Amino acid sequence: DQQVKQNSPSLRVQEGRISILNCDYTNSMFDYFLWYKKYPAEGPTFLISISSIKDKNEDGRFTVFLNKSAKHLSLHIVPSQPGDSAVYFCAAALQGAQKLVFGQGTRLTINP
Amino acid sequence: SQTIHQWPATLVQPVGSPLSLECTVEGTSNPNLYWYRQAAGRGLQLLFYSVGIGQISSEVPQNLSASRPQDRQFILSSKKLLLSDSGFYLCAWSGDFQETQYFGPGTRLLVL
Repeated sequence: DQQVKQNSPSLRVQEGRISILNCDYTNSMFDYFLWYKKYPAEGPTFLISISSIKDKNEDGRFTVFLNKSAKHLSLHIVPSQPGDSAVYFCAAALQGAQKLVFGQGTRLTINP
Repeated sequence: SQTIHQWPATLVQPVGSPLSLECTVEGTSNPNLYWYRQAAGRGLQLLFYSVGIGQISSEVPQNLSASRPQDRQFILSSKKLLLSDSGFYLCAWSGDFQETQYFGPGTRLLVL
């Protein structure tokens, strides 16, 4: 039972355009969501998070949107840069549960 | 600032040999500690987590075990490695009552 799903295993975007990464979840009790970026042979790096009391959070080129009714979140990167090429994982948590549930990841490739 | 260390970075071991991977965290006290595995082309699988010294929760029954002999030290072990134990092992930490986890650089294990 996969509670957090990233249905697109890969995505290609032209440099300078917007990258949109999607994530769906099934457990309506999740109340905190995170995005991580991972380069090959390195540990994931925390990018941005959002609490369920919000529907949008911005940090520079990165914006996360949360649609609770659809149980869907997305990460927007604009403008996309070649250094953004990596695998992106979304994760969800129950507040205070001490565990994250990760999606399978989406490989983003930014074409110059 | 907090830092997390893992070693070794790469390990090649024969089937049936023992395993010991170490993770240490600096700059924080009483962290929650986690071991994950990423198999080739797969997502992040939580193996063990610990909320305190000597307290270990196992997420997936398997050939591995974990121990936390000190507050900021987390060890992943096996008595006899299997081919299926190959993968990229990641240690992570989070603060008490904080959902965001921060990952170490990872250990690539190849069992031959």
